[in-house]
Amino acid sequence: QKEVEQNSGPLSVPEGAIASLNCTYSDRGSQSFFWYRQYSGKSPELIMSIYSNGDKEDGRFTAQLNKASQYVSLLIRDSQPSDSATYLCAVNILRAGGTSYGKLTFGQGTILTVHP
Amino acid sequence: GAVVSQHPSRVICKSGTSVKIECRSLDFQATTMFWYRQFPKQSLMLMATSNEGSKATYEQGVEKDKFLINHASLTLSTLTVTSAHPEDSSFYICSATVREDTQYFGPGTRLTVL
Repeated sequence: QKEVEQNSGPLSVPEGAIASLNCTYSDRGSQSFFWYRQYSGKSPELIMSIYSNGDKEDGRFTAQLNKASQYVSLLIRDSQPSDSATYLCAVNILRAGGTSYGKLTFGQGTILTVHP
Repeated sequence: GAVVSQHPSRVICKSGTSVKIECRSLDFQATTMFWYRQFPKQSLMLMATSNEGSKATYEQGVEKDKFLINHASLTLSTLTVTSAHPEDSSFYICSATVREDTQYFGPGTRLTVL
């Protein structure tokens, strides 16, 4: 089992719809979770971080975390063509000794296409 | 805030030459910087973790003599690709941490080795 898994997509939604991106992780001890957006040919850009169970909202983006199910998701409301990108889920996986040294483990990414 | 820059953004060089890439945190002091490599249509691959004033920690399979990392200050880390070959052509991205786990990425350096 991969440490961080995402549905690779591609995911295609119409403009104005809700896009739902999912991610599961293997280490129950993980404490920090991140969503990054990466446009083609560009570097990743931080969208959201979440640390506690439940929902966290920032504009059109909502991150959801369920540690019991080892599941984190990202909802994008009112999707726009400019949201078309690859979305990377990243988890701060704890290493031996209980520390992460700040390292993130990334999923393979989900390609999102928002069509007009 | 939390801006990370990289220089150069793009470099083309001949096989056998060395290339240095700089990564700077512009508005904060980074406790740790990371270097990644990304091939087309693939996810990020962590190459090494860099802490100011200490030797970098390389991931398994990354040659430390080929990818030299120097972390001279809390705002500057450099990656030198020594004796570059065409297979080293890739997108190199650095990131810096504000707190222990939130990473902010630089814009990346696209290296092409002829």
